[in-house]
Amino acid sequence: GDSVTQMQGQVTLSEDDFLFINCTYSTTWYPTLFWYVQYPGEGPQLLLKVTTANNKGISRGFEATYDKGTTSFHLQKASVQESDSAVYYCVLGDYVGDNSKLIWGLGTSLVVNP
Amino acid sequence: DMKVTQMPRYLIKRMGENVLLECGQDMSHETMYWYRQDPGLGLQLIYISYDVDSNSEGDIPKGYRVSRKKREHFSLILDSAKTNQTSVYFCASSLFSGAGNTLYFGEGSRLIVV
Repeated sequence: GDSVTQMQGQVTLSEDDFLFINCTYSTTWYPTLFWYVQYPGEGPQLLLKVTTANNKGISRGFEATYDKGTTSFHLQKASVQESDSAVYYCVLGDYVGDNSKLIWGLGTSLVVNP
Repeated sequence: DMKVTQMPRYLIKRMGENVLLECGQDMSHETMYWYRQDPGLGLQLIYISYDVDSNSEGDIPKGYRVSRKKREHFSLILDSAKTNQTSVYFCASSLFSGAGNTLYFGEGSRLIVV
């Protein structure tokens, strides 16, 4: 079945560091891929999504490329800020039979120190 | 204003009591969801509603039921709450149920069952 594997646990960086969060997926079809971000005390919100293979999504300085060859959708940011501290979820949107389904990764907690 | 509102935000109940969590959205979205979030388990789908009186079980429906009598309102009911239902519950909505649709989340309802 469909699955999403995401770097788990916590990533700790300093301001202006480069961010890379690993995400790989498994599916037999052409999914939509999402990154959601959850700030403390809030619900998740969409960070970016890509619907077409080999396309790149960019938002708020974050970017992720839908790589069908390596089945990956890694999240990157060139220079993180303290305000980027949050939990990041990689999500796969796909169809199972007639119904759509979202498969959530377990989340990666990013802590950015000033 | 595009918003998903959850009530109550915090709730403490004794084991065996009934619990009602309510969710409203002002975006005329067709599809609504209830998730629970637990440390190490990420987000787990409890129920999905495709429209009024059109609800389907998610991945962990046992011990829960839902009600959707108006498009903008979706309730989660726990009949006889159990301690293992202590969690943070998130309601979300999306325009439609397709795999590429963006979910909009509420701020969560923290339930403690003692």
